[in-house]
Amino acid sequence: DAGVIQSPRHEVTEMGQEVTLRCKPISGHDYLFWYRQTMMRGLELLIYFNNNVPIDDSGMPEDRFSAKMPNASFSTLKIQPSEPRDSAVYFCASSTTGVEETQYFGPGTRLLVL
Amino acid sequence: GDSVTQMEGPVTLSEEAFLTINCTYTATGYPSLFWYVQYPGEGLQLLLKATKADDKGSNKGFEATYRKETTSFHLEKGSVQVSDSAVYSCALSDRRGSYIPTFGRGTSLIVHP
Repeated sequence: DAGVIQSPRHEVTEMGQEVTLRCKPISGHDYLFWYRQTMMRGLELLIYFNNNVPIDDSGMPEDRFSAKMPNASFSTLKIQPSEPRDSAVYFCASSTTGVEETQYFGPGTRLLVL
Repeated sequence: GDSVTQMEGPVTLSEEAFLTINCTYTATGYPSLFWYVQYPGEGLQLLLKATKADDKGSNKGFEATYRKETTSFHLEKGSVQVSDSAVYSCALSDRRGSYIPTFGRGTSLIVHP
C-alpha cells in the first residue's frame, strides 16, 4: 500500500484566497483525521471521520475551515478565506477500528499564507 | 480530560549517548500509550506502543515501559545515532470510547557526531 497520500506537499498563497488540501487514506481504513501542527501549539486534532461521516469537528478553529469526505478514499480540508495565522503543516491520518489503534500519517501539507 | 506532558526540547546529545525523554499522562481510564517519531519533512510514524500496565514497548533500540503507578511512559535508548535526530511525540488512546489519541507537544532530539 502506498500509505496515506496528501496533496499538495507545499502551498503558498495570499491572505484571503481559498485553500484546498487533499487526502487519500489507506485503503480499508475507516477512520480519517485532519491535524494541524505548529511550533506554538504542537499537533492539534481538527476533525475526524468514521465511515465518511464527520464525528467530531470541535477542533476546527472557526467557520473558515470546512472538511468533507465524499467517499472512503478521499477527503478535503478547505480554508476560505485564508489568513496568515493559518500557516502550519496540515496532516491527514487514517486508522482502522479495533485493537489496532495506531494512526498512519501522511507526509503533510506545508501551508504558508502571506 | 486526558492529557500528555512531555519534557521540553530540544534535547541535544552526542552520538552513542544515553537518551531519556520523559512523558507523563493523565487519563481517567486505562489508556494505550504510544511513542511516535517524526523525521524532518515527514509525517508521524509509530515507534512503539504498550497497551497495559508494566508492558514494555520496544523498536529500533528504543524502549518505554508503561508505569501505571507513576503514570509515565518514558522513552529510552542506550546509544543514540545521528540518524535518530527527529521529533518524538508521546500519545495516549483512551479505550473507553473512540480510540482517538491525545498527543504531547513533541520533543526535538538532535544528535551530533
